[in-house]
This record gives sequence, C-alpha cells and structure tokens, in this order.
Amino acid sequence: ETGVTQTPRHLVMGMTNKKSLKCEQHLGHNAMYWYKQSAKKPLELMFVYSLEERVENNSVPSRFSPECPNSSHLFLHLHTLQPEDSALYLCASSSNGAGEPYNEQFFGPGTRLTVL
Amino acid sequence: GQNIDQPTEMTATEGAIVQINCTYQTSGFNGLFWYQQHAGEAPTFLSYNVLDGLEEKGRFSSFLSRSKGYSYLLLKELQMKDSASYLCAVRDSNYQLIWGAGTKLIIKP
Repeated sequence: ETGVTQTPRHLVMGMTNKKSLKCEQHLGHNAMYWYKQSAKKPLELMFVYSLEERVENNSVPSRFSPECPNSSHLFLHLHTLQPEDSALYLCASSSNGAGEPYNEQFFGPGTRLTVL
Repeated sequence: GQNIDQPTEMTATEGAIVQINCTYQTSGFNGLFWYQQHAGEAPTFLSYNVLDGLEEKGRFSSFLSRSKGYSYLLLKELQMKDSASYLCAVRDSNYQLIWGAGTKLIIKP
C-alpha cells in the first residue's frame, strides 16, 4: 500500500450505532488530520495530531472521538450520530518540520458516511 | 472571520484556457495552496505560492498577489480529464489551512 488509505470507503449507520473509521499513512509523515467535507461547503478541519499528540480540536461534537495510537494510524470513533453528520470524511497527513517548505497535505480517498 | 471565496462552478471548452480566481481574508498568511479533486476521489496537491508572482507547472500556473488577497489558477490546453473541483486553501498565522468551498470545472468537447 502506498500513500494514505482509508477504510471503509462507504458506511451506512443508524443513529444508535457505534462505528470507527480507519486511516493509515505510508509516507513517514508526523502529522495526521481528520476533515469533514459536505457538498458545496469548505473542508472542515476536525482534528489534528502531530507526533501522536492532539494539537487541534475545532469544537467538534463529542459524538466524534479521535484516536492516534502511532504516527501511521488514525481512527475516528463514531457514536450516536445525527443525520446532519452524513458527509465525506477525509484523512490527510503531512510532514511538519524544518526544511519542509510546503508541508502539503496528502489525502486519503475518504469514507462516505450516511447516517439514517 | 476568515474567508476564502471562489466561484462555485465554471464551464470551459476542451483545448481552451480557464482562470479560476480565489480571494481570501485570513488572520495572517503563510502560503496558498491549490488542490484538484475529482469526483469521489481524494484532493491532490497542484501548487503552492508564498511570494507574489506566477508559478508555472506544465499546463497549470498559479498566481498570487498578497497585497490584494488574491490568487488564480490558470489551466491551459484543457483536457476532458481536467473536469474536477479545484480547491483554494490559505495557511494562516497559526499554520492552519483555511479552505474555500471549491470550484467545479466542467469541460465540454
């Protein structure tokens, strides 16, 4: 596997279910991100982990719970979601540090989540 | 508040040139990115500007004017595969990316 992978690609869940999204990066990066992408809206940054420590949490509801066990893996645990949480959830990674002029983010293909 | 504006949708003809504009108002500026996103796929990096001027990469060029809070992405010799959404993002003073809603580019034969 190369780049950033995400599983599952599609997920349909009820409001009472508990599920987890998984992201894995094979790029040797030290920062990982969760974004929410809704139709015709800007990407919304949800969480940022740098060196496995959460450094950003943009007032995301507690029904979303991130976990970063190591620099290559990132999870988003979901519980008691609402229909308005239906969206594309994108994971990204980057290499942040001196000598990295762009710090561009590399994205996974996303998980299309539908909450019924 | 911080804001990135870009047109919602544009249409162009195969073989032509199209310019996608992006204006921004952010807390500080540490670079501007353009990403391409095909339907159902991940955004992929296209270009980065941090100094004023034009950056050229093959058929794609990106321009930045920091004093005007303005950038554009120029696509030449359009191909059908260029049909995608183009996302403008600005890195603010906290080094966080602020994203525009994207411009959907439709290429017609």
